[in-house]
Amino acid sequence: QKEVEQNSGPLSVPEGAIASLNCTYSDRGSQSFFWYRQYSGKSPELIMFIYSNGDKEDGRFTAQLNKASQYVSLLIRDSQPSDSATYLCAVNAGNMLTFGGGTRLMVKP
Amino acid sequence: EPEVTQTPSHQVTQMGQEVILRCVPISNHLYFYWYRQILGQKVEFLVSFYNNEISEKSEIFDDQFSVERPDGSNFTLKIRSTKLEDSAMYFCASSEEPGEETQYFGPGTRLLVL
Repeated sequence: QKEVEQNSGPLSVPEGAIASLNCTYSDRGSQSFFWYRQYSGKSPELIMFIYSNGDKEDGRFTAQLNKASQYVSLLIRDSQPSDSATYLCAVNAGNMLTFGGGTRLMVKP
Repeated sequence: EPEVTQTPSHQVTQMGQEVILRCVPISNHLYFYWYRQILGQKVEFLVSFYNNEISEKSEIFDDQFSVERPDGSNFTLKIRSTKLEDSAMYFCASSEEPGEETQYFGPGTRLLVL
């Protein structure tokens, strides 16, 4: 059974701070890793993907992957109230995505 | 920017009725997927589809479910005899390639079975 685990939160950070979101996965064969943002009642919206160990930066977002520890993280710098949402970690091993339960982020002005 | 579209946005049906959910994937994408999300729960994979065939399906995707690409643009999910527990958001997604390739999600259809 492939599992993806996230802390459900809520994670509360003040505006302008760094938010750190974490995810672990069980399937060592997983090759690609995704972070999606989901606002309440809406569909998942892709933020970033990462395939290789290390860091990948895109604007205010940095994804980090450690395949040996089976760990993926997302850092959001200069957090804004509009970043308040649920962040979904997803892992692809073949023709399907396995999602974590998501971490709810609240950015307070 | 190209996007996945889905219709209807909301559907209310009686238990036992058949429903068809429709999706138009991004035009140059070849791989199509259905996921569902029961309120307050994880997004769950249902089925992937390529070259007019199911590539992979989950345990949720039983004989009550079927998928079809009836023409060059639409991709449909049919639930033959809906149950109360089928109430969920259903998301269609598409990608250019399978495996590592990013999947882009449509806005979803909220299905309510009464």
